[in-house]
Amino acid sequence: GAGVSQSPRYKVAKRGQDVALRCDPISGHVSLFWYQQALGQGPEFLTYFQNEAQLDKSGLPSDRFFAERPEGSVSTLKIQRTQQEDSAVYLCASSSDRAGELFFGEGSRLTVL
Amino acid sequence: QQQVKQSPQSLIVQKGGISIINCAYENTAFDYFPWYQQFPGKGPALLIAIRPDVSEKKEGRFTISFNKSAKQFSLHIMDSQPGDSATYFCAANGGYSTLTFGKGTMLLVSP
Repeated sequence: GAGVSQSPRYKVAKRGQDVALRCDPISGHVSLFWYQQALGQGPEFLTYFQNEAQLDKSGLPSDRFFAERPEGSVSTLKIQRTQQEDSAVYLCASSSDRAGELFFGEGSRLTVL
Repeated sequence: QQQVKQSPQSLIVQKGGISIINCAYENTAFDYFPWYQQFPGKGPALLIAIRPDVSEKKEGRFTISFNKSAKQFSLHIMDSQPGDSATYFCAANGGYSTLTFGKGTMLLVSP
């Protein structure tokens, strides 16, 4: 596709449920980033992949958060045992290199009840 | 630790006026300073960016001013239009750090 695609766009989960959010980056982009954006705030870095290697996961808030990119293309962010504080928009971005322009998807809005 | 501080939090400007948003950073390893624009329900999109080898960069109605010694940079939107109403984020990265965003400025341009 022409841009970064994320699904689902909206997800409502009951507290304690597991969720999986998918990101399909721009074809050929080796760098992939996940950010979390709380309401009225700026995006906060979660994790970074270069191809299939997860080079930085320092922003993941807890061990309930897990991300993978097994074939160096599509990535999945998984949140286990969701909590209300996990409610946010999860943004995926891709780039041709780590220091270049980030191209963002429209995000997945997670609401935990 | 908030590495990029952005102000103001919100801004109302009349059509045709100048919008000014300011950012300050702490990490002297930062060497790339972009501004992103975000409309409701959309992801952020790159507007304009600067590297510290220049003090100013202009693209159309958008200008970044950069002050390396003060560790500050700002976005100026000339002849602001209602279509510019959006949230603007400054950001910075460099060295081995990934892009760090400010908290955002909600701009409203009144007709």
